[in-house]
Amino acid sequence: ETGVTQTPRHLVMGMTNKKSLKCEQHLGHNAMYWYKQSAKKPLELMFVYNFKEQTENNSVPSRFSPECPNSSHLFLHLHTLQPEDSALYLCASSQGAGARYTFGSGTRLTVV
Amino acid sequence: DAKTTQPNSMESNEEEPVHLPCNHSTISGTDYIHWYRQLPSQGPEYVIHGLTSNVNNRMASLAIAEDRKSSTLILHRATLRDAAVYYCILRPYNAGNMLTFGGGTRLMVKP
Repeated sequence: ETGVTQTPRHLVMGMTNKKSLKCEQHLGHNAMYWYKQSAKKPLELMFVYNFKEQTENNSVPSRFSPECPNSSHLFLHLHTLQPEDSALYLCASSQGAGARYTFGSGTRLTVV
Repeated sequence: DAKTTQPNSMESNEEEPVHLPCNHSTISGTDYIHWYRQLPSQGPEYVIHGLTSNVNNRMASLAIAEDRKSSTLILHRATLRDAAVYYCILRPYNAGNMLTFGGGTRLMVKP
């Protein structure tokens, strides 16, 4: 247990479904992140939130919609995904700029 | 952003020291050298970081070359639980919240 909890751990969804990934941290961190890790590719930063405000969107398609209601919770809403969106989605948090990141264990997403 | 170069994979024997190299010839004076590792079926975890001087913590040691163009992560006594992908990352002090991963080195530990 790292202090960053992601649910669900595994998710299978059809291309027409809508689902959400949840991330929760109780470390008192003020920044939260979504990363995507596809097979045989490096981790890709998707979104950055600082104090609940989105500060980075790394050209992510609009079928991925993040939401950060408070500094402890981060969601990734998914709709009309493609099979190539199948990947491990990782959430992380940190306390301030330059601080070390704490990652969750990820959600393994399969789009069928 | 300054890039790092790491071997794709390395093998080690259990209970022996492991030296994981990282080249970063275009490093700038304000880049910190960070190491993370990713165990199977888990997210990455922080290992160690440094700027100029060698650093030690309970997980590992970081040896930084005098010209800072390379560094080495040292695991003093590898265990099977150290089998993971190890990432060497340059992080400018003014990078804000950005942490950019490369391909890393997959370390295999043989019993």
